[in-house]
Amino acid sequence: DAGITQSPRHKVTETGTPVTLRCHQTENHRYMYWYRQDPGHGLRLIHYSYGVKDTDKGEVSDGYSVSRSKTEDFLLTLESATSSQTSVYFCAISEGRVYEQYFGPGTRLTVT
Amino acid sequence: QQQVKQSPQSLIVQKGGISIINCAYENTAFDYFPWYQQFPGKGPALLIAIRPDVSEKKEGRFTISFNKSAKQFSLHIMDSQPGDSATYFCAASISSGSARQLTFGSGTQLTVLP
Repeated sequence: DAGITQSPRHKVTETGTPVTLRCHQTENHRYMYWYRQDPGHGLRLIHYSYGVKDTDKGEVSDGYSVSRSKTEDFLLTLESATSSQTSVYFCAISEGRVYEQYFGPGTRLTVT
Repeated sequence: QQQVKQSPQSLIVQKGGISIINCAYENTAFDYFPWYQQFPGKGPALLIAIRPDVSEKKEGRFTISFNKSAKQFSLHIMDSQPGDSATYFCAASISSGSARQLTFGSGTQLTVLP
């Protein structure tokens, strides 16, 4: 398995609270991605990074922000969690070929 | 806005049978078409990928067929096994410029009966 860890793996939080999910890689890959997975929607891109401090929005970026201060870490923040953000969040990494991405184990987030 | 449409949503196949999953796309800027396999509780993993200038790619029991004029591609799993039971996602990538992204279909849950 690619060296990708996500933390926490499970989290339950209340509406309106801030939440930060962490993705850590040991592969030194340039590109990092955050997706959310919901039934019937597949995986949808939230934000991605193409280098330290270089990030861009994906298809479903509203309500999310990201930061990448080191090559190995990519943080996803929900400033004020809503029930619609209940989902499974996956981090992915790639180097060079966009279609070849390696996924982490996922974080299941429940917003009550 | 779903740029990659996948069908069927679920598929049940007998052991030894052929599983076929179909995808269609609109954006002609896509330059690679991968398939990912996901087991319960795990992240997706790349299974096989094809370029749009190739009509077919085979890796073991897995084959991608690509029809550029129809903007369609499909995954065929020959001699399907219970261990193939998983969710399969087609995807399409854009590899140039600032929009380096992978767009996924909605997924197909495959069950192979023993």
